[in-house]
Amino acid sequence: NAGVTQTPKFRVLKTGQSMTLLCAQDMNHEYMYWYRQDPGMGLRLIHYSVGEGTTAKGEVPDGYNVSRLKKQNFLLGLESAAPSQTSVYFCASSSGQGAFNYGYTFGSGTRLTVV
Amino acid sequence: KNEVEQSPQNLTAQEGEFITINCSYSVGISALHWLQQHPGGGIVSLFMLSSGKKKHGRLIATINIQEKHSSLHITASHPRDSAVYICAVRSRGDGATNKLIFGTGTLLAVQP
Repeated sequence: NAGVTQTPKFRVLKTGQSMTLLCAQDMNHEYMYWYRQDPGMGLRLIHYSVGEGTTAKGEVPDGYNVSRLKKQNFLLGLESAAPSQTSVYFCASSSGQGAFNYGYTFGSGTRLTVV
Repeated sequence: KNEVEQSPQNLTAQEGEFITINCSYSVGISALHWLQQHPGGGIVSLFMLSSGKKKHGRLIATINIQEKHSSLHITASHPRDSAVYICAVRSRGDGATNKLIFGTGTLLAVQP
């Protein structure tokens, strides 16, 4: 089925460990995003990309890195996990600037716990 | 103060009731989204609108740009409508990136 696929769905990390979350979309969308969702707060933008080979910081980028080597994939890395990064992470994609109905498609989320 | 405010934060209804969830925002926008998230689940886009009204099944979304306000209505509510409903806006300044600003969501529970 067309859409946004996130892997893994669940992960428990120890403080200081590293990991990479993978987001893949098959809709040929130009734009991709990583958000985090915490209790009592709206989703907050970590990093985003407006095209292959481009990345930019969002609202809460500290402690995360991203890469978009291929248009369909957007990777989120945690180099040294901290308990404050315990959250649910959502990837999303949208069609590019100028599209009449740019739409937004979200992945199913990754629940990360850092102990 | 959040740029996107939703009310109520929590809502309990009986099956069959008409439900309204409100969203107010403080920035100039080019689009507003209503999203649905079931417990432990992913986020699904319900509507994207920039003016007027849209309807899909039992769901109706309206927006008043001048008043910076949108409502999501559910007619003949059903327990399967129980979810978190999230309002999000694309500010006019973010048209080149499609970044969204999210409300904190409204938790709806529909009891049989």
